[in-house]
Amino acid sequence: DAKTTQPTSMDCAEGRAANLPCNHSTISGNEYVYWYRQIHSQGPQYIIHGLKNNETNEMASLIITEDRKSSTLILPHATLRDTAVYYCIVRVFNSGNTPLVFGKGTRLSVIA
Amino acid sequence: EPEVTQTPSHQVTQMGQEVILRCVPISNHLYFYWYRQILGQKVEFLVSFYNNEISEKSEIFDDQFSVERPDGSNFTLKIRSTKLEDSAMYFCASSSRGSSYNEQFFGPGTRLTVL
Repeated sequence: DAKTTQPTSMDCAEGRAANLPCNHSTISGNEYVYWYRQIHSQGPQYIIHGLKNNETNEMASLIITEDRKSSTLILPHATLRDTAVYYCIVRVFNSGNTPLVFGKGTRLSVIA
Repeated sequence: EPEVTQTPSHQVTQMGQEVILRCVPISNHLYFYWYRQILGQKVEFLVSFYNNEISEKSEIFDDQFSVERPDGSNFTLKIRSTKLEDSAMYFCASSSRGSSYNEQFFGPGTRLTVL
């Protein structure tokens, strides 16, 4: 089972920042927080991951609380193309063989 | 940008028939995965594959399922005798060893419909 809790759905106005929260209160010291998204039944797409420091890439920013029990994915300027289901996944960082355990995710609707 | 490809995009079959779903992972990747997603449900892990053998499999991956890497590029999922409940989107994914991210790259999926 997924070790994360996310809101079922969220709305965001186009051009505004979308802040997607995730709770992972049982996260272990060797587990990273990964975010993927799935646009309308396409294959899931990697967004970002982090351990304890905040991370930023061309797609998003990831803010992880100091106790690592929760995190927030930030899409700084949401567009209609960002409408998708966003999955927060806790996963051991290793040589790459660990399967991803998906929960139900948050369905983000970006509204014009 | 390299990507995972899957064929066919949609497969319709009769219950009890065998199907083979095909995937071409990203060329320098060494880890391969199959996931499935029944309509309206979560994405579920089926199996992972490395060094020509199964690394891990879920309870879903029973004796009706098998995987193979028949050559240097293809990665296949075979369902020997399909059931109605096998109807789902099947996603192939691959990841590279040594990558600082170990992210999994997913293909576009094959929609399997069992009648």
